[in-house]
Amino acid sequence: DAKTTQPPSMDCAEGRAANLPCNHSTISGNEYVYWYRQIHSQGPQYIIHGLKNNETNEMASLIITEDRKSSTLILPHATLRDTAVYYCIVRSLNTDKLIFGTGTRLQVFP
Amino acid sequence: ETGVTQSPTHLIKTRGQQVTLRCSSQSGHNTVSWYQQALGQGPQFIFQYYREEENGRGNFPPRFSGLQFPNYSSELNVNALELDDSALYLCASSLGRGSYNEQFFGPGTRLTVL
Repeated sequence: DAKTTQPPSMDCAEGRAANLPCNHSTISGNEYVYWYRQIHSQGPQYIIHGLKNNETNEMASLIITEDRKSSTLILPHATLRDTAVYYCIVRSLNTDKLIFGTGTRLQVFP
Repeated sequence: ETGVTQSPTHLIKTRGQQVTLRCSSQSGHNTVSWYQQALGQGPQFIFQYYREEENGRGNFPPRFSGLQFPNYSSELNVNALELDDSALYLCASSLGRGSYNEQFFGPGTRLTVL
């Protein structure tokens, strides 16, 4: 599975958009980009995933560059409850294991 | 709430002992994955069970073993506990194998080895 690179931490003001970047320059054609988040002392929570098109759901939007070497998770209106560690994961359909990095610690402040 | 439950919530053991952790999958899910999360790190894949058979294993020694039951609940057993086994143990259930279906995580079991 391809490795991902994320900034260790980011801050965001409440009500503003949080844009979390992820680099996955060695991604293969059949690998998906997944995002999970983990609020302190809880299990990871699925957010969104995509292959090459941009995706949106009730939680977030996922923007994948045309060359698929990077992506951005967008939380359009961050709230204090969005404070968590966000993990970007590249996953092949040939394997069910999720390979987590150390993620980005997002701190939303009032 | 994901519908995935784990027991116990917390556990304290001493080095050399054995431990069994339990996981109940979300209804209808036939696949369970186990992860170990050390403090300050992301979760690390231990192994996965699909319909009662092991379906992939991470870089963990044989003293980490598992079981999946006909109702798709699962156990993680760790023998000869070491201090470095202290971690949050997470299970995740999903529907199907080799699919893009998301994995739903339980709240975890916090194991402390003294």
